[in-house]
Amino acid sequence: DAGVIQSPRHEVTEMGQEVTLRCKPISGHDYLFWYRQTMMRGLELLIYFNNNVPIDDSGMPEDRFSAKMPNASFSTLKIQPSEPRDSAVYFCASSSRLAGVDTQYFGPGTRLTVL
Amino acid sequence: TQLLEQSPQFLSIQEGENLTVYCNSSSVFSSLQWYRQEPGEGPVLLVTVVTGGEVKKLKRLTFQFGDARKDSSLHITAAQPGDTGLYLCAGGTNAGKSTFGDGTTLTVKP
Repeated sequence: DAGVIQSPRHEVTEMGQEVTLRCKPISGHDYLFWYRQTMMRGLELLIYFNNNVPIDDSGMPEDRFSAKMPNASFSTLKIQPSEPRDSAVYFCASSSRLAGVDTQYFGPGTRLTVL
Repeated sequence: TQLLEQSPQFLSIQEGENLTVYCNSSSVFSSLQWYRQEPGEGPVLLVTVVTGGEVKKLKRLTFQFGDARKDSSLHITAAQPGDTGLYLCAGGTNAGKSTFGDGTTLTVKP
């Protein structure tokens, strides 16, 4: 089975530009998580969805960040406008209530660099 | 706010040595996960433990969940260079949101 798929794997952009990160969760999983990882702050939960509905977005840094999950097989994380401090690796993860919601499967990540 | 503290933060050992990594909290969790992350990749699940006192073995790796379900340990026997990576523990509440530790960076030198 395919794991969590993220695209792009690398993104380099200039300050002020819009950035869109994409995620396809494992088929049949009903939870989807967006994380950000930096050396300074470690792995931070940004937002998570259950059955395509956002449940907790308290980790979203500010209004420049938004996330959507239009269907069970696709989610996006958008940053507009981007800033240099947004540079990080962004991970998407998914899990299943049936198999154990706390057991999360991570994608390979998107390394974002904002110049 | 639930916190998970991992220790040590960094560990550098020679091939063949044994090591233990700890994950501690004052909070009770319904389950605890251990992940390993290699450079340029996402965390990969190693194990889930759910019962207090539970011990699970994965080849040379032994995982233990504390009796009170507040802490856990990971023991590696005869470490190999392929064990090098960032080890993350995560505490779950079965409600969707997990708490991750800051990780232990392990380097095993040949």
